[in-house]
Amino acid sequence: DQQVKQNSPSLSVQEGRISILNCDYTNSMFDYFLWYKKYPAEGPTFLISISSIKDKNEDGRFTVFLNKSAKHLSLHIVPSQPGDSAVYFCAASADFNKFYFGSGTKLNVKP
Amino acid sequence: DADVTQTPRNRITKTGKRIMLECSQTKGHDRMYWYRQDPGLGLRLIYYSFDVKDINKGEISDGYSVSRQAQAKFSLSLESAIPNQTALYFCATSDLSTGTEENTGELFFGEGSRLTVL
Repeated sequence: DQQVKQNSPSLSVQEGRISILNCDYTNSMFDYFLWYKKYPAEGPTFLISISSIKDKNEDGRFTVFLNKSAKHLSLHIVPSQPGDSAVYFCAASADFNKFYFGSGTKLNVKP
Repeated sequence: DADVTQTPRNRITKTGKRIMLECSQTKGHDRMYWYRQDPGLGLRLIYYSFDVKDINKGEISDGYSVSRQAQAKFSLSLESAIPNQTALYFCATSDLSTGTEENTGELFFGEGSRLTVL
């Protein structure tokens, strides 16, 4: 059974609007959470992370929110740009030794 | 040149054949990983290695074996390929040992090896 779940396979957003990608996890031992972005024919690349001691982390247009009690995290992209169109994976780890990935959400930002 | 290089990038083979996917890295990282990506399932960990003498099974190691020939090289073998091993395979590296607030947990991925088993 997957320990990290992304229940929305796809999301379509208008350029300039906010994109919100969601991720849920089941293992309460997870303390480190990351988002990766993947373009076709490329490997995933790191986007932003958060540790369990925080509930928010920002990096430019990207903000990750963590709700530990709900075992839920979300990635906000504001404003969304066409170049943000990609597959986004969330990942979680208890100890930085093994990382568990969600199934991904394909974001399409329309011009 | 890519920091994490996978060969071959594409391979079509037949059931029962032995296949090796190779990964080399120039990042100087101790930790190396093999993941496979399947539609709807995301990335699943096959094997990982923290140094040349340390090999660990991941979530889905059955049917696979690995070899860590050097710090920079980590190969994945399918001894007798079967169709449900058709997938996109990724090698990744990291240099993390213990988590700190400064560590991001970042994995550096290769560009992937697409394997089709007929």
